[in-house]
Amino acid sequence: QVYLAESGGGVVQSGKSLRLSCVAAGFTFSNYGFHWVRQAPGKGLEWVAAIYYDGIKKEHADSVKGRFTISKDNSKNMVYLQMDSLRVEDTAIYYCAKWGDNRALKWGQGTLVTVSS
Amino acid sequence: DIQMTQSPSSVSASVGDRVTITCRASQGVGGWLGWSQQKAGKAPKLLIYATSTLESGVPSRFSGRGSETLFTLTIDNLQPEDFATYYCYQANSFPWTFGQGTRVE
Repeated sequence: QVYLAESGGGVVQSGKSLRLSCVAAGFTFSNYGFHWVRQAPGKGLEWVAAIYYDGIKKEHADSVKGRFTISKDNSKNMVYLQMDSLRVEDTAIYYCAKWGDNRALKWGQGTLVTVSS
Repeated sequence: DIQMTQSPSSVSASVGDRVTITCRASQGVGGWLGWSQQKAGKAPKLLIYATSTLESGVPSRFSGRGSETLFTLTIDNLQPEDFATYYCYQANSFPWTFGQGTRVE
């Protein structure tokens, strides 16, 4: 059974940094890629970043490119999202999701990031 | 970027109804289309991926079909626990993109 648990959210001032973590269990971590998807208050879902199973190839949304970096540590079963130069519009719940077989997207419970001005 | 447009944005339904939600892609996505359900205050939950493959544990009253630019999610015999918001997403090319959501109320 897939288990994903995000942590690291909180309140941060605009321009500062925050690192989100996602611990995974229930499957062979090193065989899978992961995504981060966010949801601003009262809004829909927005894809943020993805990392391939090998941890080398990465993709980032234009809205966060150059500010956010996704990474994974196969030795710790952890996925990270390093968020720098945060903006008020980055305020959202951030979900970690497993990039499953046939591009299935299996979700964690989310962590709330609030960026204050 | 591929734009995903869901219709309707909301639908009123009753227990026992059949509900169909449409998702249109601005360009072909092959069969790389998934659906997630989100209840108020909760994380999304995967229902269907690769157009029509039901996630393990998802009731068979949910079904998906379509190809390239037009996809549907159908809920047969709507149950009380199905009242939620449904999102489609395309996984054909980056950036992966989501529909704006359809609220079933």
